[in-house]
Amino acid sequence: GAGVSQSPSNKVTEKGKDVELRCDPISGHTALYWYRQSLGQGLEFLIYFQGNSAPDKSGLPSDRFSAERTGGSVSTLTIQRTQQEDSAVYLCASSSLTDTQYFGPGTRLTVL
Amino acid sequence: SQKIEQNSEALNIQEGKTATLTCNYTNYSPAYLQWYRQDPGRGPVFLLLIRENEKEKRKERLKVTFDTTLKQSLFHITASQPADSATYLCALEGSGGYQKVTFGTGTKLQVIP
Repeated sequence: GAGVSQSPSNKVTEKGKDVELRCDPISGHTALYWYRQSLGQGLEFLIYFQGNSAPDKSGLPSDRFSAERTGGSVSTLTIQRTQQEDSAVYLCASSSLTDTQYFGPGTRLTVL
Repeated sequence: SQKIEQNSEALNIQEGKTATLTCNYTNYSPAYLQWYRQDPGRGPVFLLLIRENEKEKRKERLKVTFDTTLKQSLFHITASQPADSATYLCALEGSGGYQKVTFGTGTKLQVIP
């Protein structure tokens, strides 16, 4: 596809359940980022991938959060034992060497 | 600690006027600064990038300035239109060979017809 895609677009889950969020970056983009945005708030950095490795995981809020990237392409963000404070829009972005980040439409996660 | 500040209050201006948004930062030495636009329910969209050795950059009706002494960037939209209404985010990248950027919280712009 021409842009970054994310799935699902919306996810409603019960507290304590695990969720997986998927990001398909732009083909050829080596850098991939995950952010979280709560209602009316700015973007909170979660994790950065360069290829398949994650040199910066400093933004992951707890050990319930993890992410992987396989084949230098698709990435999955997993949240275990979800809590209500995890409710937010999760945004993925990718970039090449030009520093510009291209964002996906986000996944809106609601934890009941 | 590092901080990026954008005016959290919404900016309302009349159509046709110039909108000016401010981004201030502390404890950063950014190699460059970017501005993004975000519409409700969508991811941010890149607008302009300005490097530390550039004072000003323009793109159509957009103009960005970057003052590393004041630690401030100004984002101008001339001849503003209602379609310019959105939230505008500034983002700073630090030096160090890694493309991580940190985003400000954004300023919501409303252009009134």
